[in-house]
Amino acid sequence: DAMVIQNPRYQVTQFGKPVTLSCSQTLNHNVMYWYQQKSSQAPKLLFHYYDKDFNNEADTPDNFQSRRPNTSFCFLDIRSPGLGDAAMYLCATSSAWTGGRNEQYFGPGTRLTVT
Amino acid sequence: GDSVTQMEGPVTLSEEAFLTINCTYTATGYPSLFWYVQYPGEGLQLLLKATKADDKGSNKGFEATYRKETTSFHLEKGSVQVSDSAVYFCALSRGFGNEKLTFGTGTRLTIIP
Repeated sequence: DAMVIQNPRYQVTQFGKPVTLSCSQTLNHNVMYWYQQKSSQAPKLLFHYYDKDFNNEADTPDNFQSRRPNTSFCFLDIRSPGLGDAAMYLCATSSAWTGGRNEQYFGPGTRLTVT
Repeated sequence: GDSVTQMEGPVTLSEEAFLTINCTYTATGYPSLFWYVQYPGEGLQLLLKATKADDKGSNKGFEATYRKETTSFHLEKGSVQVSDSAVYFCALSRGFGNEKLTFGTGTRLTIIP
């Protein structure tokens, strides 16, 4: 089945130690998104890629970076994680070729713990 | 700017009860509307959607109708099951491929046997 895959599902990192989360998709969607979701809150968009074009949200801290080496993969890099960055990180994809009425398909998420 | 207002939770119902979760939105034009469901420890799953006024989205016994006159997209189910216990998010998108989702705050639903 076509899907969005996130690895790892659980990640523990130390305060200030860089960490990378990965997302891959078999849907061949051209748009990929990264969201941060803290406990009991709605997901918050960090950034997205439209093809190779990177679109950062205005309030996303510089500590968060992303890479998309090809259509299928997208990475979230947290350069110096703080305790406040502990959250669930969700990857999503959508297709820009559906006549403008896209839905987003989410992966299972990576739960990040910062110690 | 765009916004989505959802019924405050948590909501607790008995099995086989009727469910309504209210959702209203503020947006110009004709956004697409979605309900996503999130089970504990999981990502979001698209439950249903509607892309134009008077459209009814439906899936797994859930329904929601896009009401432009009242700017609403209320989620309903006639008979809930324990397995429906989850967090439900109403969301809108302006579409055209790369527009972000604007989410409501989520409603936690618990169904007791």
